Amino acid sequence: AQSVTQPDIHITVSEGASLELRCNYSYGATPYLFWYVQSPGQGLQLLLKYFSGDTLVQGIKGFEAEFKRSQSSFNLRKPSVHWSDAAEYFCAVVPNTGGFKTIFGAGTRLFVKA
Amino acid sequence: DTGVSQDPRHKITKRGQNVTFRCDPISEHNRLYWYRQTLGQGPEFLTYFQNEAQLEKSRLLSDRFSAERPKGSFSTLEIQRTEQGDSAMYLCASSPGPRGGGETQYFGPGTRLLVL
Repeated sequence: AQSVTQPDIHITVSEGASLELRCNYSYGATPYLFWYVQSPGQGLQLLLKYFSGDTLVQGIKGFEAEFKRSQSSFNLRKPSVHWSDAAEYFCAVVPNTGGFKTIFGAGTRLFVKA
Repeated sequence: DTGVSQDPRHKITKRGQNVTFRCDPISEHNRLYWYRQTLGQGPEFLTYFQNEAQLEKSRLLSDRFSAERPKGSFSTLEIQRTEQGDSAMYLCASSPGPRGGGETQYFGPGTRLLVL
């Protein structure tokens, strides 16, 4: 079945430490891939997206993600986490079938400790 | 560019009542989307419009739900005979069009619905 999986419901990292949030998808063809962040009381904000080309994409706020076709993964990374990064992170796909329906993962909540 | 706005931001209603939410997309965005997000879950697609035409509806959109975008600008989402299971955050997004499915969607702050 087509799906987007974020294996980690929540992650806690120390401020200044590195971060990696995992995302796996299950689609026949490589979909369009996105990472969004949602802070309490805020709308979803796009961090970065991948369509094609260079498999390492840079986003806002110092985030980057790497597309690995062989692993059907699109993991989000940040080398040094700031307390303000505490939020809910969603991986999302738009199947490359001509439609516009976005499928979101269940999200990973990031906690940052001092 | 004032962003996507939604009204109201919060709505409390009693079971069985009808509610209507409004979404104003970014000016001149052709596509408009509605999602529903329940606690601890990612947003779930409900429907989307290309201008005034409703082009796709999720099976989540039961007969009690109806969405319109009469002039291709703002949109309304109505829920009739609300049930407690309808309690959720309702998100609206818009995108410029007419590019393909990878174009960026810009989300509004959402309308949080609580059905008592």
